Amino acid sequence: AQSVTQPDIHITVSEGASLELRCNYSYGATPYLFWYVQSPGQGLQLLLKYFSGDTLVQGIKGFEAEFKRSQSSFNLRKPSVHWSDAAEYFCAVDYVNTGFQKLVFGTGTRLLVSP
Amino acid sequence: DGGITQSPKYLFRKEGQNVTLSCEQNLNHDAMYWYRQDPGQGLRLIYYSQIVNDFQKGDIAEGYSVSREKKESFPLTVTSAQKNPTAFYLCASMGKESGANVLTFGAGSRLTVL
Repeated sequence: AQSVTQPDIHITVSEGASLELRCNYSYGATPYLFWYVQSPGQGLQLLLKYFSGDTLVQGIKGFEAEFKRSQSSFNLRKPSVHWSDAAEYFCAVDYVNTGFQKLVFGTGTRLLVSP
Repeated sequence: DGGITQSPKYLFRKEGQNVTLSCEQNLNHDAMYWYRQDPGQGLRLIYYSQIVNDFQKGDIAEGYSVSREKKESFPLTVTSAQKNPTAFYLCASMGKESGANVLTFGAGSRLTVL
């Protein structure tokens, strides 16, 4: 079965430091890949997506992600974290060959930003 | 502005009662979804609908029911058969963006069973 793994449940980063959130998926082909962010008590907002082309994609709020086929990974990065980035981040995969395009989500990584 | 509206934001229910969560979208999207979110478990798919008058069970449909009588609306009923209904419920719709399907989410409804 297809799965998405976010190995870090919590991550704490100092404000101004760089950030990398990990995401791995299990699938032979290249799926569509997404990162969403969720503030407490809110819905999910799309940060960025990858479906083809350049493996480094830029998103909103200064985030970027790199697709690495050899590692089945789609890690999210930000060069300098701001306190407002504290939220929960979800990686999601759209396995386009399942007959119906629906997303499989990872369990999320909660980002804490320290002063 | 286009988007998804979920109501109510907070809902309390006594055991044995059915409750219905509303989801309305004005994005003209065909596909709509209901997800359940519990701490540490990410999002799990309850039901989805690709088109009006059609819907399919997701991974955790037991104890839930839906209808899709209008393109804009996809209400979710949490029935008394749902053993552990306290959760955060998210509605979403899917549309094309730069050639890829993208989910747009509502702000969610938090259901608490007393």
